[in-house]
Amino acid sequence: QVQLVQSGAEVKKPGASVKVSCKASGYTFTSYGITWVRQAPGQGLEWMGWISAYNGNTNYAQKLQGRVTMTTDTSTSTAYMELRSLRSDDTAVYYCARCKGWLIDYWGQGTLVTVSS
Amino acid sequence: DIVMTQSPVSLTVSLGERATINCKSSQSVLYSSNNKNYLAWYLQKPGQPPKLLIYWASTRESGVPDRFSGSGSGTDFTLTISSLQAEDVAVYYCQQYYSTPLTFGGGTKVEIK
Repeated sequence: QVQLVQSGAEVKKPGASVKVSCKASGYTFTSYGITWVRQAPGQGLEWMGWISAYNGNTNYAQKLQGRVTMTTDTSTSTAYMELRSLRSDDTAVYYCARCKGWLIDYWGQGTLVTVSS
Repeated sequence: DIVMTQSPVSLTVSLGERATINCKSSQSVLYSSNNKNYLAWYLQKPGQPPKLLIYWASTRESGVPDRFSGSGSGTDFTLTISSLQAEDVAVYYCQQYYSTPLTFGGGTKVEIK
């Protein structure tokens, strides 16, 4: 069965960086994209961007351009999302999810990133 | 960006009764070349990730009970739960995947009366 297993919770200071991993199993990794979505406490869902696991092409949300980098390691079927220059409003649960075209069909369990001084 | 607007924000329904959630997009998500609406519905229970319920506006994901149905086209869509069960208590989101940035509605919280 399709599984996306994310790395554990992180606590970071403002200005620091965080890198979240997402290990995929149960399907051919390079046949799908990976998208990242975040959810601030008690809030809705915000799309952060997408990466093709086939060729590494990316598409980032405009508001995060310059602060976010998404990568994949096809040898381990793992996707990564790095967010830099963290601010308090980056505190959120970060989800990776599998994308078929642009349709999000399977989600990881989420990683809580807390930004606090 | 395509703005997705859901209504109501919250909904309280008796067990066994019908629940209806509306979703409106700021522009059409119907792709004319294949006549498909690029609209999905998800449910999210507390402490869990979202789960795909419906895609192409009306196609149920495998394993989703048939009490869940989606309808609509263009800019106006509806998710209907025909007979609400206790396990359906959740927040429901619509989402367009017609163009990036992918965007979600604000969510509708469904509770039992």
